[in-house]
Amino acid sequence: EPEVTQTPSHQVTQMGQEVILRCVPISNHLYFYWYRQILGQKVEFLVSFYNNEISEKSEIFDDQFSVERPDGSNFTLKIRSTKLEDSAMYFCATTGWLASPLHFGNGTRLTVT
Amino acid sequence: DQQVKQNSPSLSVQEGRISILNCDYTNSMFDYFLWYKKYPAEGPTFLISISSIKDKNEDGRFTVFLNKSAKHLSLHIVPSQPGDSAVYFCAASDSSNFGNEKLTFGTGTRLTIIP
Repeated sequence: EPEVTQTPSHQVTQMGQEVILRCVPISNHLYFYWYRQILGQKVEFLVSFYNNEISEKSEIFDDQFSVERPDGSNFTLKIRSTKLEDSAMYFCATTGWLASPLHFGNGTRLTVT
Repeated sequence: DQQVKQNSPSLSVQEGRISILNCDYTNSMFDYFLWYKKYPAEGPTFLISISSIKDKNEDGRFTVFLNKSAKHLSLHIVPSQPGDSAVYFCAASDSSNFGNEKLTFGTGTRLTIIP
């Protein structure tokens, strides 16, 4: 079964550094999302992306965050200047059409020290 | 802002018996509901969904029931198997907002199946 692939699986970075989390969506999927889960808390929506633009974003997704699909395959989440509170599991999710279930990747664990 | 609540953080069930996981929501705009299962070190995996035009959806051992007046849904797993041990998340969306793109998740229920 096709999978959403995320790299790296674990990223450790120092506060203030930039990080880029990468996702390879399922090949015929058109709708892309980032969610995150802080340890012990619920999975939270960050942003959705369709047709090369953001379609919705949450309050969490401030100016420090950005997303892009630079080469038509990878879908990336960039955090410009990481903070301690950005430490979380970041999940990429994709779907082929609206009102269909999201397929999640296995996540990137981001640790900011 | 807990629009989706799973009030039981954990549940233990004997193998072969029925597992019932519960979820409550407060946002009356939600009209599409999903259950996801999550193993450690993996992403959530879709299990089953239900639209608000239905009150029941069944897929093999999994059945989801929706009570719109009570703003309550439940997931029934029968018979429960050891491989069902995982964290189960309830999620909801407002499909008038471009479909299910913004899922609101509950905090999860850890289900343990006892052999």
